[in-house]
Parts: sequence; C-alpha cells; structure tokens
Amino acid sequence: GESVGLHLPTLSVQEGDNSIINCAYSNSASDYFIWYKQESGKGPQFIIDIRSNMDKRQGQRVTVLLNKTVKHLSLQIAATQPGDSAVYFCAENEGFQKLVFGTGTRLLVSP
Amino acid sequence: ETGVTQTPRHLVMGMTNKKSLKCEQHLGHNAMYWYKQSAKKPLELMFVYNFKEQTENNSVPSRFSPECPNSSHLFLHLHTLQPEDSALYLCASSQVGLAGVETQYFGPGTRLLVL
Repeated sequence: GESVGLHLPTLSVQEGDNSIINCAYSNSASDYFIWYKQESGKGPQFIIDIRSNMDKRQGQRVTVLLNKTVKHLSLQIAATQPGDSAVYFCAENEGFQKLVFGTGTRLLVSP
Repeated sequence: ETGVTQTPRHLVMGMTNKKSLKCEQHLGHNAMYWYKQSAKKPLELMFVYNFKEQTENNSVPSRFSPECPNSSHLFLHLHTLQPEDSALYLCASSQVGLAGVETQYFGPGTRLLVL
C-alpha cells in the first residue's frame, strides 16, 4: 500500500470527524469514476463509483460528489474511523478499459 | 478478499534471473490486467487481456512478457530486469460488457525488488 511514496498529499483527521478527499481529473470525456482505498500491503480496494450522468452517489458512510464543470471529484467519509487510514485513489475511465489513476491521498486517522 | 490472488507476494531477483508472477481471479470475469505501482507515480497500466487475448500493451519493455492461458489465470514472465523495475505489480480483473465501463478488482500485488 505504500504506493506513491514521499510526496503523497496527506489528510490528518480525528476519529469521528468527517473526511473529504479531493481529486481533479483531466479528461472531460471521462464517463465513469471510481474511488479506491489501498491499505498497507494490500491492493486497491473498490469503495464507490459514479457515472457522469450523476452528481452524487451515497454508500455506507461514503459519498462521492462529481462536479463536471470544474472536473472535480470528492470522496466524503462520515464519522472517520482508524480503520479508514489508507491511501485513497480516484480513477477516471478515459475509454474502453482505460482507467487512469490519480497519485492518491493518504488519510491518517488518529484516535 | 477481492477474489483476485497473486503469488508470490514478495520477490527478490537479480538482473540475470528469470521469474514469473502469477495471478488468478475467482470472479468469473472476462478481462485481466497487469499494473505497475512505483513510488512517486500513479498506477501504470501494462497489459490488458480480454477473453485470453491481449488487447493492450502499454509500451512495456520486452523484458516483461505476459501470458494468459485462460480467462482466470494471468502470468507475467520477467527476464533481465533492471533495478528501476522494482515496484509493486498488481493484477486486476473485470467483467467487460458492451458499454466498456466496468469496475476493476485488484489482487494484493507482488512486491518485486531487483538487485
């Protein structure tokens, strides 16, 4: 999981707070977006996805917001827990089977 | 567990060695992928296989040679690698439909160190 090394943006929050992780994407033609979570020593794990015909999608404790005007994606985690500590990646679908990943944001949750 | 397994989990090899990475998916998917994840870079797509046929080779050096004997198994054969090839190699699978929009599910990766 220690994937993107020394220059990874980091978000530090207290347990119980809400977390917001942001992602800017590059291709205005991208029609599908995914958030992945990567814990240390593991591969990326699917969290939630959203298609370009939607602005918001909610899952269990997570919400993804899509702003196509400014090409911005965010992941909101409610009541953040220590187990949420990980690196979070957004990915955009730029074409057939062509997922392009961001560099990731490290979320640190302190008790 | 995502239903995608990879072996070995860790591998150390010299530049003259030949080794292979193995991936198996238990999800009934029809597409499999190899990615490279190295420090300071986003995930890089290396190869894509659909129904056992390679459909993408993302300008990967020939010292990496993929093999897909069936839609559940994927190998990455490694030969005369360089130290800069040290990275986490991730396998993923997905179910590709007509829309071509689908979620990829990842294995835990093989951490490779080339000495």
